[in-house]
Amino acid sequence: DAGVIQSPRHEVTEMGQEVTLRCKPISGHDYLFWYRQTMMRGLELLIYFNNNVPIDDSGMPEDRFSAKMPNASFSTLKIQPSEPRDSAVYFCASSSRDRGPHEQYFGPGTRLTVT
Amino acid sequence: AQSVTQLGSHVSVSEGALVLLRCNYSSSVPPYLFWYVQYPNQGLQLLLKYTTGATLVKGINGFEAEFKKSETSFHLTKPSAHMSDAAEYFCAVSATNAGKSTFGDGTTLTVKP
Repeated sequence: DAGVIQSPRHEVTEMGQEVTLRCKPISGHDYLFWYRQTMMRGLELLIYFNNNVPIDDSGMPEDRFSAKMPNASFSTLKIQPSEPRDSAVYFCASSSRDRGPHEQYFGPGTRLTVT
Repeated sequence: AQSVTQLGSHVSVSEGALVLLRCNYSSSVPPYLFWYVQYPNQGLQLLLKYTTGATLVKGINGFEAEFKKSETSFHLTKPSAHMSDAAEYFCAVSATNAGKSTFGDGTTLTVKP
């Protein structure tokens, strides 16, 4: 199995620009999670999906953030407009209730820098 | 609801010494418990997990953890630290009927030569 794939690995953008982060979960996994990690706030769960349906988006910071999962093999996290305080490492993770109760497999992350 | 408390945001040990990283949890239902490790510039990876059955669980790289229900703890140990163990470690709890996990704040382990 290929692991969770995230792209891009690094993104540098200017304040006000739209940023789209992409994730391909492990095939067969029915849960997908988006996290943000910073030195100040640690690891934060932003949103998670089950069978492509958003279950809990209470961690999404504000309306500038949106996430979609159009099918079982692809998800996006979009920030529009981006701000310097959005600079962080964004992780995507997936899991399967059938293959192991709630253990999550993380991607390598996207390091976002907003100048 | 679940919560996790990791005691000590930084732990430093000498190479060859015992590693002990502490984790206490709170859960209103029987929990699943996990330890994840994060090496620099990488995502988290599962170290070990407790679901049911044996309370002493063994993971990769010589780590193990013991589920103690009476103490609501799930401490991570390794008898002899290696330099390669230097990383950040996260404890996580999940309710048996939930999809998501709640992560602790992490403990950074430093191994001194």
